[in-house]
Amino acid sequence: ELKVEQNPLFLSMQEGKNYTIYCNYSTTSDRLYWYRQDPGKSLESLFVLLSNGAVKQEGRLMASLDTKARLSTLHITAAVHDLSATYFCAVDIQSGNTPLVFGKGTRLSVIA
Amino acid sequence: KAGVTQTPRYLIKTRGQQVTLSCSPISGHRSVSWYQQTPGQGLQFLFEYFSETQRNKGNFPGRFSGRQFSNSRSEMNVSTLELGDSALYLCASSLASSGNTIYFGEGSWLTVV
Repeated sequence: ELKVEQNPLFLSMQEGKNYTIYCNYSTTSDRLYWYRQDPGKSLESLFVLLSNGAVKQEGRLMASLDTKARLSTLHITAAVHDLSATYFCAVDIQSGNTPLVFGKGTRLSVIA
Repeated sequence: KAGVTQTPRYLIKTRGQQVTLSCSPISGHRSVSWYQQTPGQGLQFLFEYFSETQRNKGNFPGRFSGRQFSNSRSEMNVSTLELGDSALYLCASSLASSGNTIYFGEGSWLTVV
């Protein structure tokens, strides 16, 4: 059974600081997704990582994937209040466009 | 283009009743999947449909069922509702091939009283 673990689960950070969210998974996979969820809202796709060493960046967020270590990171650079949300990583469990197994999410709060 | 559309957005049901939730995927997307989100269990996969066929099913009791129509629209049904079925039900759609972005709808908030 594939397990996906995120840490930290809660993160309070000051504006302007950098931080990294980690996503570990237990079974070989080369497809990892990052989503953002605002309170009461749905999931917004941030990144799709499809191979070992993949790195994608959008604004102050950068995601990477190390399939050998079964680890993905979501790095936040110079945080701003608008980044406050819950961030989920999710991993495919089969070949093809298949169901995702989600981590428990990291609730990020950026404070002034 | 329009995103994934789910209806109804909010509903309240009584224990023992049944409920049907509807999902219209993004135009051209043939894969539709459903997830349940609760504070305790997080996001859990319910089922996935592709071309009207259930391709995968999560670990939920038989009270949870679904189907997909020829136009890729999907419905899920929960019978004999229990208090624990209160959750946000999310529908997601994607293109057929692997590795594509999976887009989520706004969800249907179900409260069972």
